[in-house]
Amino acid sequence: AQKVTQAQTEISVVEKEDVTLDCVYETRDTTYYLFWYKQPPSGELVFLIRRNSFDEQNEISGRYSWNFQKSTSSFNFTITASQVVDSAVYFCALSAYTGNQFYFGTGTSLTVIP
Amino acid sequence: NAGVMQNPRHLVRRRGQEARLRCSPMKGHSHVYWYRQLPEEGLKFMVYLQKENIIDESGMPKERFSAEFPKEGPSILRIQQVVRGDSAAYFCASSQEDLSTGELFFGEGSRLTVL
Repeated sequence: AQKVTQAQTEISVVEKEDVTLDCVYETRDTTYYLFWYKQPPSGELVFLIRRNSFDEQNEISGRYSWNFQKSTSSFNFTITASQVVDSAVYFCALSAYTGNQFYFGTGTSLTVIP
Repeated sequence: NAGVMQNPRHLVRRRGQEARLRCSPMKGHSHVYWYRQLPEEGLKFMVYLQKENIIDESGMPKERFSAEFPKEGPSILRIQQVVRGDSAAYFCASSQEDLSTGELFFGEGSRLTVL
């Protein structure tokens, strides 16, 4: 069974603080994809990253970084020097390599306080 | 290059009416997916379609819900005899190929409110 758990329902940080959003997943597949999406208050889903299961290199994109640990089935997302515009709900998702479905976590609502 | 277009963005229906949600995939994309986001929840897969074919409808409720992706025109998610529990945001996504090789691009969602 495929499952994604985002245990943090809501997080509040003060602007310029670093924040890490946790994502733990379950899958029996040996090959799969992991994703992060951002949903700002306007409601659309913004793609942030896709990671193949066979590529465990961590990735950095500006203030965003992702830590993929296959051994612990985690794909955590860190925002460095948070800004008010980072306030949104962030979803982690999993798809099987040959599947047609995304399995989303329940999301983490991040509020960055100015 | 327009993204995935969904309309209407907001739809209000009374119980028992029908709701039709439309989705035009990105240009060149032949794979369409519908997801539902209930309040305070993540997105749940409903159905996956290619032109004129339903490939996977394992997430669709057995009754009142149907989806199509005709040869010409947008994909339609149809909800008959809506109930309050159908109130949700319905997201359409498209990809050029299946998910093993392609990325998934989401529309802005259609928010259905059932009074």
